[in-house]
Parts: sequence; C-alpha cells; structure tokens
Amino acid sequence: AQSVTQLDSQVPVFEEAPVELRCNYSSSVSVYLFWYVQYPNQGLQLLLKYLSGSTLVKGINGFEAEFNKSQTSFHLRKPSVHISDTAEYFCAVSAIRDDKIIFGKGTRLHILP
Amino acid sequence: DVKVTQSSRYLVKRTGEKVFLECVQDMDHENMFWYRQDPGLGLRLIYFSYDVKMKEKGDIPEGYSVSREKKERFSLILESASTNQTSMYLCASSLRGLRQYFGPGTRLLVL
Repeated sequence: AQSVTQLDSQVPVFEEAPVELRCNYSSSVSVYLFWYVQYPNQGLQLLLKYLSGSTLVKGINGFEAEFNKSQTSFHLRKPSVHISDTAEYFCAVSAIRDDKIIFGKGTRLHILP
Repeated sequence: DVKVTQSSRYLVKRTGEKVFLECVQDMDHENMFWYRQDPGLGLRLIYFSYDVKMKEKGDIPEGYSVSREKKERFSLILESASTNQTSMYLCASSLRGLRQYFGPGTRLLVL
C-alpha cells in the first residue's frame, strides 16, 4: 500500500518570496507522483506529475517538483510566489498501473502582502 | 478539454433524507471516483468504478452507495443522511492509469 505525508499543514510566505511545500511518500512498488492545487471554492487541478524519466518536473504556473527516490520525497517549489497562488496543495501517489490515487492531507499556502 | 460536472454546488438536506449527488464526464473515461474532503483530513475515497455497472468500495464506504448505469454518469447516494456526512464531495474521472480530472465539488450540509 502507498501513503503520503505532507509535512506542513499551512505555509505562510511573503509575496515574491520562494516557497517549498514538502511531501514524502511510502511505497513498496514503483509509483507515479502528482501535485494538485485547489483554489478557493473549486475542484482540484493537476499542477504536475512524475511518471518516469527526468527527476525534475515542471508544471503550470511556474511550479516545479523534484523526485528523490532515495529520500522518498517529491517536494514542490516556486522561486517567486504571487497572491494568486493562494490555494491548498495536495501531493498524491499511485502505484504504477493502479487507477487509484492516494492523497496527502494538503498544505494551505498563505501569501502575505 | 475534459469536463466533469456535478449537479449541485451547494446542497442543504435534513437528517434522514435520501440524497443523490450526480456526476457527469464528457471524455469517455472508464474510471470514475467519489471522494469526500474534510479540513485536515484531505481527500478520502468513498467509492470508485472501473466500468458501467461496476463498483468498488474505497476507504470510507459506510453510509454511501453508488450507481453507474451509463459510462458518463456516476451517482453517489446517501440512503439516510446524517450530520456527520456534512462535507465537500468531489467527483473525478480518468483513463486507465492516468491523471484524474475533478469536478467543482458539492458542498453538502445536513441539518
């Protein structure tokens, strides 16, 4: 079985500052990894995904994440945040060839002016 | 673009009522999912379906049932709503082994 731990439930950061949202996963098999974003009063949208290949994955809105197999991590980063990045971010994992996704509990990103 | 629609954005029901939440996707996806989202708990899978008339229990199926009579439609049923089912309900669909696409969610309040 797979599991996901998002290490911070809330992250405050000043506008135009860099941010890192941390995610660790656990699995006995190879996995796919995802980051989803949920803006206020909306459903979830895919930010980026790691399926295979390069461990640095670039997504929408300037976000990127790095897959680190030895540390079982998939941290999300952005070099300069904007007020519009205020949202809840979910890290997720699925076993390869499994259609189910396991979600973390989410990290709320608060952008301070 | 894939579109997943949910029948209501907000719903208020009374304890004991039967509640239907409808989800429709327009991209011929095999898989459909129902989650509930609660603060601090993230998304928890209630039921999912790999095909028409096929359903599988997720992590928290108690108090819920589902129906998938057509490929594009997946319904979540609360047979007798209770206050602890007040939550945000999210529907999603996917092709086999690929990303899930989410609807906007239904915020259900059970009084």
